[in-house]
Amino acid sequence: DGGITQSPKYLFRKEGQNVTLSCEQNLNHDAMYWYRQDPGQGLRLIYYSQIVNDFQKGDIAEGYSVSREKKESFPLTVTSAQKNPTAFYLCASSISGSSYNSPLHFGNGTRLTVT
Amino acid sequence: SQQGEEDPQALSIQEGENATMNCSYKTSINNLQWYRQNSGRGLVHLILIRSNEREKHSGRLRVTLDTSKKSSSLLITASRAADTASYFCATENSGYALNFGKGTSLLVTP
Repeated sequence: DGGITQSPKYLFRKEGQNVTLSCEQNLNHDAMYWYRQDPGQGLRLIYYSQIVNDFQKGDIAEGYSVSREKKESFPLTVTSAQKNPTAFYLCASSISGSSYNSPLHFGNGTRLTVT
Repeated sequence: SQQGEEDPQALSIQEGENATMNCSYKTSINNLQWYRQNSGRGLVHLILIRSNEREKHSGRLRVTLDTSKKSSSLLITASRAADTASYFCATENSGYALNFGKGTSLLVTP
């Protein structure tokens, strides 16, 4: 079955450490996205990529970095510069870079806890 | 930026009743989408309604869109316990990513 795989499901890190969250899709989608979800805050866009080797900052990109070297993969690195990294991180993809006619498909998230 | 705003924040009903959630947004849109999220899971797409559509149905779901009032509603008829989840509206205007609201938490009790 096609889908989006995020790993790991739970991740624990010490403050000051960088951590990379994995996101892989086998849907052959061009566009991929990273959202952050905090309680009562809804989803906020971190980065998105419409095509391989290209990505754009979202609303809350500070302290995060991404790469898009392969169509199937869009890893997110949470750096030590991110002041409040503890959150639920959701990766998504869509057929094309415009969501006009293409809904998002989401992974099941990675819950990151930084202490 | 979050554009959609769902109302109410929380809703509790009994099985068999209808559930109505509303979404208001601020700027013109190309489409509006509704998603469901079960606790601790990713979001699942429910329905997409374009700006030139007024109503859309999918199974027990009915979505309306009023662009003059910048609002949408999601109706779930004959609710089941399995409908317990958070529901989000998301809008797309001229960008390439969706803007999500904060969601409505729906509890359906047997």
